[in-house]
Amino acid sequence: ILNVEQSPQSLHVQEGDSTNFTCSFPSSNFYALHWYRWETAKSPEALFVMTLNGDEKKKGRISATLNTKEGYSYLYIKGSQPEDSATYLCALHNNNDMRFGAGTRLTVKP
Amino acid sequence: NAGVTQTPKFQVLKTGQSMTLQCAQDMNHNSMYWYRQDPGMGLRLIYYSASEGTTDKGEVPNGYNVSRLNKREFSLRLESAAPSQTSVYFCASSWTHGSNQPQHFGDGTRLSIL
Repeated sequence: ILNVEQSPQSLHVQEGDSTNFTCSFPSSNFYALHWYRWETAKSPEALFVMTLNGDEKKKGRISATLNTKEGYSYLYIKGSQPEDSATYLCALHNNNDMRFGAGTRLTVKP
Repeated sequence: NAGVTQTPKFQVLKTGQSMTLQCAQDMNHNSMYWYRQDPGMGLRLIYYSASEGTTDKGEVPNGYNVSRLNKREFSLRLESAAPSQTSVYFCASSWTHGSNQPQHFGDGTRLSIL
């Protein structure tokens, strides 16, 4: 069973704050961990695909790290902006199936 | 640059009616997927097609059938709709079914079954 847990469920920060949230997953039989950004009224968009323990990926102010041995990934946003407000999804791909977490809903207040 | 297109965007059905949700992608992707999204839960995979001519069950396939009509199109059919199938349905595609391939999503179909 591929249980993917995300925390926190929701997060409110002020513009300019840096923030991070967590994706936890079973560490056995790992293939890949995906992060998606999902803005309201739009469709999910891929941020990162991470496959190796210790992977670090960065796109602008957003970065992610991966620890496959202990089964977690962190997503960091530096200097949050209102346009970062979205739900951030992680998903575990085990080569036959993709299991999504329920997401972390981020609201950035101006 | 359409990407993944889903039709219809909204639909209301009565219990027992049948319905086919359509999905088409113009990115020449080999793999396509159908998910459902329910409040408080993550996207759950219903069926996928790793390549043209193949389909496989995902996490929640009961009550659904799929057809990979050609490389571009992947449809989802509800033969006898039930209220438990009220959900938002998303179609996605990727270059291949490999675990390192990001998926590209359509805008979703909101389906209500009364």
